[in-house]
Amino acid sequence: SQQGEEDPQALSIQEGENATMNCSYKTSINNLQWYRQNSGRGLVHLILIRSNEREKHSGRLRVTLDTSKKSSSLLITASRAADTASYFCATGGVAAGNKLTFGGGTRVLVKP
Amino acid sequence: DTAVSQTPKYLVTQMGNDKSIKCEQNLGHDTMYWYKQDSKKFLKIMFSYNNKELIINETVPNRFSPKSPDKAHLNLHINSLELGDSAVYFCASRQEVLGKGTGELFFGEGSRLTVL
Repeated sequence: SQQGEEDPQALSIQEGENATMNCSYKTSINNLQWYRQNSGRGLVHLILIRSNEREKHSGRLRVTLDTSKKSSSLLITASRAADTASYFCATGGVAAGNKLTFGGGTRVLVKP
Repeated sequence: DTAVSQTPKYLVTQMGNDKSIKCEQNLGHDTMYWYKQDSKKFLKIMFSYNNKELIINETVPNRFSPKSPDKAHLNLHINSLELGDSAVYFCASRQEVLGKGTGELFFGEGSRLTVL
């Protein structure tokens, strides 16, 4: 099974609304990363949060990390049609060496 | 000046054939990866090379053989292709930080393999 699992699998919102997606993982991590994938393209790194951090911001993105619950959330505020994409979380484990393990992604559709 | 480039972008072939996908990165990174993304968008790591040395080899059939002639290149050769090999294959690279698995991954645009 995947180390990181995103929830929901799909999300449809109106432009201007906020989009929130969650990621749960199973084993200890030293960092968690979020990536974005536009249709037919490669993944692009959005933000990295370390295991000793609880919250991080980057532009309209806000990421939280709760290591006690082994979960993270990604919030996109004031969404735009251009935010339509799949969003993936990836975890780097303490014992995982240099392996990043991805979840199945959340497909976000922002309607204009 | 693409950072991670992979070729070909599309590959359509018959079962039983052998094919290769090439990947090059110009970022100076020391670690490169192959990931496979299936039709449900799940992304699974296949291989990782650090300075031309294989360091991750997930449970991938022996028909898949990666080759890294230098740290800027990581190719993937697939023998005796099967229908289940149809997927999008992504190459990625990153610079390891203190060997702790931190640092962002830079992905190529993907190579869509269709086996008929």
